[in-house]
Amino acid sequence: GEDVEQSLFLSVREGDSSVINCTYTDSSSTYLYWYKQEPGAGLQLLTYIFSNMDMKQDQRLTVLLNKKDKHLSLRIADTQTGDSAIYFCAEKENQGGKLIFGQGTELSVKP
Amino acid sequence: DTGVSQDPRHKITKRGQNVTFRCDPISEHNRLYWYRQTLGQGPEFLTYFQNEAQLEKSRLLSDRFSAERPKGSFSTLEIQRTEQGDSAMYLCASSLVGLTYNEQFFGPGTRLTVL
Repeated sequence: GEDVEQSLFLSVREGDSSVINCTYTDSSSTYLYWYKQEPGAGLQLLTYIFSNMDMKQDQRLTVLLNKKDKHLSLRIADTQTGDSAIYFCAEKENQGGKLIFGQGTELSVKP
Repeated sequence: DTGVSQDPRHKITKRGQNVTFRCDPISEHNRLYWYRQTLGQGPEFLTYFQNEAQLEKSRLLSDRFSAERPKGSFSTLEIQRTEQGDSAMYLCASSLVGLTYNEQFFGPGTRLTVL
């Protein structure tokens, strides 16, 4: 079945870059997403990438997709304390559009 | 439009009681999804509707769970005879089929605690 895996924790210093990695199994997924969840708040879509793209840049965010290895990464440049949150990678099932989420990576940004 | 709303935000109940949650999606959205999130895990899919039709249910959705979307607008999720293992955050999301990237907009969730 489908499975999405992420490392659980990442700690960086303010101003550094953060890289959060994700692997997925469903090679037919057309879209892959990164969501952010802050304590007490709902999931917020940060960015997405279409499966025929290798890279997508959106301000401080860069998404890299390696379809051959089924590897997705999210790079946050100039990480700020406000970026501290849990980041979820998700793939979209083609049929009904449900999202399959990873366990989430808790990003801690130290001043 | 203020986004997806869920009610209540928190629910504490005793084991064996029934609970019902409500989700109001973004008004023009035709798809509505329910997910469950336990501590330290990502959300897991439960079920989804396209308009009023329930098109898919996860194996996680035991026969104690039922969901409805009677007029293709708001949805309810009922859990009968709650168990401690039902304690989780229940998330609702809506989307508009036809958008290129089919973004699902999530509500704030209903946190259920079963004592």
